[in-house]
Amino acid sequence: QKEVEQNSGPLSVPEGAIASLNCTYSDRVSQSFFWYRQYSGKSPELIMSIYSNGDKEDGRFTAQLNKASQYVSLLIRDSQPSDSATYLCAVNGSWGKFQFGAGTQVVVTP
Amino acid sequence: SQTIHQWPATLVQPVGSPLSLECTVEGTSNPNLYWYRQAAGRGLQLLFYSVGIGQISSEVPQNLSASRPQDRQFILSSKKLLLSDSGFYLCAWSASPSSYNEQFFGPGTRLTVL
Repeated sequence: QKEVEQNSGPLSVPEGAIASLNCTYSDRVSQSFFWYRQYSGKSPELIMSIYSNGDKEDGRFTAQLNKASQYVSLLIRDSQPSDSATYLCAVNGSWGKFQFGAGTQVVVTP
Repeated sequence: SQTIHQWPATLVQPVGSPLSLECTVEGTSNPNLYWYRQAAGRGLQLLFYSVGIGQISSEVPQNLSASRPQDRQFILSSKKLLLSDSGFYLCAWSASPSSYNEQFFGPGTRLTVL
């Protein structure tokens, strides 16, 4: 079983719609959770961090965390073509070691 | 503000040749430093991490090694490259070893071994 799992996609989203990305993790002691955006050929860019159960909003992005169910999600509202990228979920364990999911490719169609 | 540099940006090397990739961080002191590899279409694989000068932990036994000769310098090396070493090599830093630290990535080095 992978420690951090994401659907690989591609997730096709019409422009202006909401993109919903999910991530599950296996390490129950995980304390912090991150979403990175990676454009093709580029390095990952941190877009959201979440540490407590519930929702955290930043602009068009909302991260949701449920530690009891061991999942974290990312919503992208009003999706734009510039949101087309691969989104990586990362989970930080007890000492600072990140576990990354393989990523979900998002394609926003005009 | 903090900046992380990697070089070279791209590299094409023959099998059996040596490798040296360099990463430097500016604007912070005593960062945690990490080397990751991303194979085409795959997730990130942690190769090495360092919490201080001369302190290197290896995650995956292989023909690669890492060194940290200075506080903000991290070097990835190999004596003899394999075809399987091809990939996108990413250096990252974080501010502390706590469970809440965020990692920030450099621009990466794309290595092709022929």
